[in-house]
Amino acid sequence: GQQLNQSPQSMFIQEGEDVSMNCTSSSIFNTWLWYKQEPGEGPVLLIALYKAGELTSNGRLTAQFGITRKDSFLNISASIPSDVGIYFCAGVTGNQFYFGTGTSLTVIP
Amino acid sequence: NAGVTQTPKFQVLKTGQSMTLQCAQDMNHEYMSWYRQDPGMGLRLIHYSVGAGITDQGEVPNGYNVSRSTTEDFPLRLLSAAPSQTSVYFCASKKGSWAFFGQGTRLTVV
Repeated sequence: GQQLNQSPQSMFIQEGEDVSMNCTSSSIFNTWLWYKQEPGEGPVLLIALYKAGELTSNGRLTAQFGITRKDSFLNISASIPSDVGIYFCAGVTGNQFYFGTGTSLTVIP
Repeated sequence: NAGVTQTPKFQVLKTGQSMTLQCAQDMNHEYMSWYRQDPGMGLRLIHYSVGAGITDQGEVPNGYNVSRSTTEDFPLRLLSAAPSQTSVYFCASKKGSWAFFGQGTRLTVV
């Protein structure tokens, strides 16, 4: 399958700090998605990106669809304790979703 | 609106046992899929279906069977469980680029 590299693998940050994570691929995707997974739950969609260069926000979250269509970035501003979880990127081509390995975020109050 | 419902939430099996993980969605989505999630591996696609009567293999299909007799249901069968199938399993249904996940089934094979 197609490999999506997500980094960093984990982050430990102080409440109030900003967070940046990214996802890169060797393949081009038509859509990039960002999900958040909390313990014991399934992933929940945060942001969807549909064209190269697109910048989309959802509250304190901002994501960008890379110009090359091979990468995407997620930023969280002014982190709060409830931001804790694992964040996954997903590249979509046709009917297929390819997920990154996840970034585990811990926010220290 | 229940979305995607998976049962059971937890299961322990002995090696060689069989079982079926249930998945149902009430959103009338044509596309449904099963993933397994293992530490450091992200979500890997097992099988998927683009509509009733149509199924296809994903990235890691070995040891699993699926069928899709109705739009709503997409069960995943383990015919002879192996310890390597210890994982968390997620069912998802999709419309366009929007995929909705169930809460997961944590399966342990001993």
